[in-house]
Amino acid sequence: GAVVSQHPSWVICKSGTSVKIECRSLDFQATTMFWYRQFPKQSLMLMATSNEGSKATYEQGVEKDKFLINHASLTLSTLTVTSAHPEDSSFYICSAPRGTGTNEQFFGPGTRLTVL
Amino acid sequence: AQSVTQLGSHVSVSEGALVLLRCNYSSSVPPYLFWYVQYPNQGLQLLLKYTSAATLVKGINGFEAEFKKSETSFHLTKPSAHMSDAAEYFCAVLTGYSSASKIIFGSGTRLSIRP
Repeated sequence: GAVVSQHPSWVICKSGTSVKIECRSLDFQATTMFWYRQFPKQSLMLMATSNEGSKATYEQGVEKDKFLINHASLTLSTLTVTSAHPEDSSFYICSAPRGTGTNEQFFGPGTRLTVL
Repeated sequence: AQSVTQLGSHVSVSEGALVLLRCNYSSSVPPYLFWYVQYPNQGLQLLLKYTSAATLVKGINGFEAEFKKSETSFHLTKPSAHMSDAAEYFCAVLTGYSSASKIIFGSGTRLSIRP
């Protein structure tokens, strides 16, 4: 089946630094990818839609200058948390749909971000 | 707008007992519905999906779900729970039919299995 990878799987950083998270579709191309964040014991909240070759579309309440998204190629999207603060600590998950029809999305394994 | 509501944030059953996790949807168009499972500190794994074909959908690990339009429900069941089923389960709906369509998740149900 289709595989989506994320790197790194976990990261610890100091407050004020920026962290980049990569999402890759390993065996298919994805013009669209999605970024979610998940707080402990909560559901996944969609942050933004990453579009290859154009700007990302952010959900209401998500700061686009805080969470920079770049869809550099058909297999890679990156999320950069700029000037991270402890409240940004969360589990970040990406997904990518493959093909049309059922539009099944494949999820990455997630990245655990801890900001000290 | 499409949405899903999961009834019960925590369900506990005995090993070997029936598992029933409830999900109701709201959609102005025929929905595509999903059930995902998440083990601790891991991503999501698709259990099953409904895409307007058969109303009774069979998934992995012995799970199945039935789409009932009259009840706007898509409950997840498994006849006999196993200890390895303990996890977080999410019901989800696709907001459209294109590759750019978003998935909206329910609040999740944590399934615990008693020995």
